[in-house]
Amino acid sequence: AQTVTQSQPEMSVQEAETVTLSCTYDTSESDYYLFWYKQPPSRQMILVIRQEAYKQQNATENRFSVNFQKAAKSFSLKISDSQLGDAAMYFCAYRSGSARQLTFGSGTQLTVLP
Amino acid sequence: NAGVTQTPKFQVLKTGQSMTLQCAQDMNHEYMSWYRQDPGMGLRLIHYSVGAGITDQGEVPNGYNVSRSTTEDFPLRLLSAAPSQTSVYFCASSLRDSLYEQYFGPGTRLTVT
Repeated sequence: AQTVTQSQPEMSVQEAETVTLSCTYDTSESDYYLFWYKQPPSRQMILVIRQEAYKQQNATENRFSVNFQKAAKSFSLKISDSQLGDAAMYFCAYRSGSARQLTFGSGTQLTVLP
Repeated sequence: NAGVTQTPKFQVLKTGQSMTLQCAQDMNHEYMSWYRQDPGMGLRLIHYSVGAGITDQGEVPNGYNVSRSTTEDFPLRLLSAAPSQTSVYFCASSLRDSLYEQYFGPGTRLTVT
């Protein structure tokens, strides 16, 4: 079974600074997808960024980028120029290429300090 | 499109009571699923469906039933609520051929006393 581990329950960053959230996963499959979801206090799950395992290039979405290290099974999220609205719980998630179900990590609570 | 809707938003039950959490989507998505979110544990899959009439168990199915009679609706039934089922419940949906996006509902916070 696949597992996703987020070893940082809480992180904080100063406004306008950069922060990196860590995620590792365990799988024996070669075809899979990785995601970062944001959950603000409203509880809504918001997709931040996604990465296909077959792509070597790291995904980027505006201020959000990932460092995908396939051999190390590591998938970290970098948030640049942090804003107060980035404060939320962030979840790393894994999806097998042959399924639709997501396996989530335990989450990292990000605080942005003004 | 309303997207994925869930009702109710909040619910308090007594141990042993039954109830149904409703989930509906208007995007003609074949795939629908239910997750529960507990502190320190992320979201865990309860049940899922790949189309009308087809359901299967996820990681934590005990104590929950589902059915999928239409493409739009995927209700989650608690037959005899237990305090261990106190959680936030999320419904999600996606197209069968979608590689990426799963759309989540706003969640239902359930407390069992």
